[in-house]
Amino acid sequence: SAVISQKPSRDICQRGTSLTIQCQVDSQVTMMFWYRQQPGQSLTLIATANQGSEATYESGFVIDKFPISRPNLTFSTLTVSNMSPEDSSIYLCSVGDNEQFFGPGTRLTVL
Amino acid sequence: LAKTTQPISMDSYEGQEVNITCSHNNIATNDYITWYQQFPSQGPRFIIQGYKTKVTNEVASLFIPADRKSSTLSLPRVSLSDTAVYYCLPGRDTGRRALTFGSGTRLQVQP
Repeated sequence: SAVISQKPSRDICQRGTSLTIQCQVDSQVTMMFWYRQQPGQSLTLIATANQGSEATYESGFVIDKFPISRPNLTFSTLTVSNMSPEDSSIYLCSVGDNEQFFGPGTRLTVL
Repeated sequence: LAKTTQPISMDSYEGQEVNITCSHNNIATNDYITWYQQFPSQGPRFIIQGYKTKVTNEVASLFIPADRKSSTLSLPRVSLSDTAVYYCLPGRDTGRRALTFGSGTRLQVQP
């Protein structure tokens, strides 16, 4: 199994600002993903974080809004840029091996 | 990807057996069926996976009929701590691929 930590666990931000969320894994993993879970909703995939290359984004998500870094096999960041209240969500990272393991999530509130 | 249909919510009492059925009529031949559990304020976690017939582990049982167009997650003698959202996800290599979550089933266990 993999142990995943995310920072910050929660934050309240002003519209127009940016927040960078960190995801740290206790072992090297190939596959790492970022999801968003809006209040009361299911999880939606934002992108696959690729080590050494640009992230692969799902339809409706763009790099300018959600830039992702993956400098090595244990760490990734997701930035939520130029935030608006509609970006208020829980952001989760996950890593994949025989099964997927999810981090605890970052609860973001944008005022 | 196979589209899934699950009950939106279910209520139960402590000590009862709970069965949650998921329909996945267009499941592909190579797809497994995986169930995830999400507690409030946590990321989803893997519960059980199967291909056909019956699979049992320390947490749950999974029943899959011969046509594989549905699956039933069975939770024996639920407790208050089983209150969570349960997602069924058909797919291949679900550990290493991004997951597509449906709406899930919100289980509320009462004393």
